[in-house]
Amino acid sequence: KQEVTQIPAALSVPEGENLVLNCSFTDSAIYNLQWFRQDPGKGLTSLLLIQSSQREQTSGRLNASLDKSSGRSTLYIAASQPGDSATYLCAGAITSGTYKYIFGTGTRLKVLA
Amino acid sequence: EAGVTQSPTHLIKTRGQQATLRCSPISGHTSVYWYQQALGLGLQFLLWYDEGEERNRGNFPPRFSGRQFPNYSSELNVNALELEDSALYLCASSYQLLAGVSPYEQYFGPGTRLTVT
Repeated sequence: KQEVTQIPAALSVPEGENLVLNCSFTDSAIYNLQWFRQDPGKGLTSLLLIQSSQREQTSGRLNASLDKSSGRSTLYIAASQPGDSATYLCAGAITSGTYKYIFGTGTRLKVLA
Repeated sequence: EAGVTQSPTHLIKTRGQQATLRCSPISGHTSVYWYQQALGLGLQFLLWYDEGEERNRGNFPPRFSGRQFPNYSSELNVNALELEDSALYLCASSYQLLAGVSPYEQYFGPGTRLTVT
């Protein structure tokens, strides 16, 4: 059974720090991996999508990497700001059998001003 | 470009009733996905529709069902509501294998908060 795990579950940092969020998956049959942020009680906002043939994607202060051989993806946030406070979710698109997305458990980030 | 829309925003039902949730995908997207996010739990995949057909479903009982209309909008129906069905229901849409566009990147709506009392 495919599982996606995110570490840490919660993180509190002072403003300006660079930080790394981790996502681990058990099955290398991942077609792509997508990072989202979710504000309390809201839907998900797509941040970055990494195809299985890619190793990383960058958008502004965000950089996501994917290492299928080790079953890991990381989301790097540079110069964190209070507005970055949210829950960050990774999701892997699995294509073994039939296609579906498996979501991680999320990391709750709080950036202190 | 309008995003994924969902209605209603909030829905309050009693045990045993039926709930209908609606989703309109981004224009040009043919796939619609439904997810359940119960309090304290992660996002659980419910259903995937593409071109009007159910392509896959998660580990949910048959009282969770839905359909996709010719305009690619979708309905999620939950019959015989139980207290544990209370959750945020999220809909997402995506393209499917269009040339030059990342396949399977999902865009989410704001969700419908279902409360069962």
